[in-house]
Amino acid sequence: EVQMVESGGDLVQPGGSLRLSCAASGFTLSDYWMGWVRQAPGKGLEWLANIKQDGSEKYYVDYVRGRFTISRDNAKNSLFLQMNSLRVEDTAVYYCGTGETWGQGTLVTVSS
Amino acid sequence: DVVMAQSPLSLPVTLGQPASISCRSSQSLVYSDANTYLSWFQQRPGQSPRRLIYKVSNRDSGVPDRFSGSGSGTDFTLKISRVEAEDVGVYYCMQHTHWPHTFGQGTKLEIK
Repeated sequence: EVQMVESGGDLVQPGGSLRLSCAASGFTLSDYWMGWVRQAPGKGLEWLANIKQDGSEKYYVDYVRGRFTISRDNAKNSLFLQMNSLRVEDTAVYYCGTGETWGQGTLVTVSS
Repeated sequence: DVVMAQSPLSLPVTLGQPASISCRSSQSLVYSDANTYLSWFQQRPGQSPRRLIYKVSNRDSGVPDRFSGSGSGTDFTLKISRVEAEDVGVYYCMQHTHWPHTFGQGTKLEIK
């Protein structure tokens, strides 16, 4: 069964950092572009970042570029999102996925 | 960024009746490889997004055939031939022809 499980979400103060992880199973991560999408409470979906199969290309939406870093470890079938300089408006559920399949999400709350 | 405009934003439907959601993009979604990268997602209450349709009209595995997608260029439609209770949720169109990938605002389908 294809599955992705996100972890690492937490309550953090503005200006703080978090590292989200995504463990993939049931498929070979290295075959796919991977991405992170988020959903603020009661709001719609936002695509944040993409990473190519071998990690050689990365794309970010403007408002996270320079603060967030997407990475992957194909040997461990894992995807990551390093988030720095967090803002209150980054509060959301963060999902990792291939486009076709998405995890259950992990909640990031940025608040003082 | 490509703006995806969905209508209606709220869709009350009687069980067994058809439903239709429109999605219009601010630019053509035809990519240089001649494909059109327009997908539809369903998000049931409390769940993560699930892709239903990719490249305008292709149903994902396990998606009931009462769901269909159509359209071209900048104008797309998701149709449900006969709405069932399990179809309640929010539906999003999404383009990944252009970076950043962008979603529509979402259409909330409810049973009348």
